[in-house]
Amino acid sequence: DIQMTQSPSSLSASVGDRITITCQASQDISNYLNWYQQKPGKAPKLLIYDASKLQTGVPSKFSGSGFGTHFTFTISSLQPEDIATYYCQHYDSLPVTFGQGTRLEIK
Amino acid sequence: IQLVQSGAEVKKPGASVKVSCKASGYTFTNYGITWVRQAPGQGLEWMGWISAYNGNTNYARKIRGRVTMTTDTSTSTVYMELRSLRSDDTALYYCARDIDDYSDTSGRLAFDPWGQGTLVTVSS
Repeated sequence: DIQMTQSPSSLSASVGDRITITCQASQDISNYLNWYQQKPGKAPKLLIYDASKLQTGVPSKFSGSGFGTHFTFTISSLQPEDIATYYCQHYDSLPVTFGQGTRLEIK
Repeated sequence: IQLVQSGAEVKKPGASVKVSCKASGYTFTNYGITWVRQAPGQGLEWMGWISAYNGNTNYARKIRGRVTMTTDTSTSTVYMELRSLRSDDTALYYCARDIDDYSDTSGRLAFDPWGQGTLVTVSS
């Protein structure tokens, strides 16, 4: 199975900060990478698919990039409503697997 | 587009549970459904996928042999049954729809929207 490693595991930042989360795949997954947001007590929500494409209705402050084994997810200006855990997920082969998550907090 | 799941369940070890996921707002048979579970305080684990078009399934190796996913096209409902429950099956179980229609597991597997989750507790 392909292992997905996210860093950091948790992140504390201030309102207005630009924040970046990285996701490393254990083997080349091309651009077969998605990003999800899970707010406390809620189901995950798809933000980014194919590494860099914004899901319909998702604000443009969210962005993703990367190819192969190294990927990044960025929030351009952190707002209080962005408090959540963020997960990457590959779909290069079955089983799809998720990163362990990055918990984002406001300072 | 909405996925509404059945309510919380409490089961004893060794029992079975069947969770439902009722879809609305789109053509049910055009999209696959994935099941993902999340143990308390833990991350997301993919359990498997079913095509609502032809019933084809693909299950995670870890639970293959204990899980069955089915569809009822007359009610636009997907079911996930997990048997021989153990304490480490205690989790929130989510269904989620493929974002692409007529997809299979060789295509893009991205999931949106998700159901609200069903808590399954396994305890003696």
